[in-house]
Amino acid sequence: DQQVKQNSPSLSVQEGRISILNCDYTNSMFDYFLWYKKYPAEGPTFLISISSIKDKNEDGRFTVFLNKSAKHLSLHIVPSQPGDSAVYFCAARKRTSGSRLTFGEGTQLTVNP
Amino acid sequence: NAGVTQTPKFRILKIGQSMTLQCAQDMNHNYMYWYRQDPGMGLKLIYYSVGAGITDKGEVPNGYNVSRSTTEDFPLRLELAAPSQTSVYFCASSYDSNWNTGELFFGEGSRLTVL
Repeated sequence: DQQVKQNSPSLSVQEGRISILNCDYTNSMFDYFLWYKKYPAEGPTFLISISSIKDKNEDGRFTVFLNKSAKHLSLHIVPSQPGDSAVYFCAARKRTSGSRLTFGEGTQLTVNP
Repeated sequence: NAGVTQTPKFRILKIGQSMTLQCAQDMNHNYMYWYRQDPGMGLKLIYYSVGAGITDKGEVPNGYNVSRSTTEDFPLRLELAAPSQTSVYFCASSYDSNWNTGELFFGEGSRLTVL
């Protein structure tokens, strides 16, 4: 039962353009959503998060949008840079589960110069 | 601060062997976790701990054991290694004041191959 799903295993964009990574979830008890970034041979690092009471959170080039009715969130990166090339994981948390996160499968983003 | 430190980074085991993956954090975090990452499968929670002396099972605990005798250390024990345990293992920690965001701090990972 995959409660958090990233349907695109990979995404390729040109430098300077927008990258849009998508994530869908099924459990309406999730109250917080996070994006992590992972480079090869490194652990995931936290990128940005959003509470379920908001529909948008922005941090520099990164913006996360949440559509609760569709149980869908997306991460926008503008402008994309080659250093953004990494695997991006969507994760979700239920308040009753403390900090235990449920992760999606990940999307490999490649930004071409 | 070193953050979350995992050892070893790489290990090859034979079927039936046992080993312990070590994890230590120096951030005084109460919460610690073990995840495994299989190709195309995301990260799955194996075990977690909310403090010294307290551990609980995650989604995929079978074949593993943990202990938490100190705040800093959270070792993961594999008993009778099987090929299905070939994976990359990540240890993570969080401070309970981070519960508002759920942010976890991860180690660099331990790549385990069982042949």
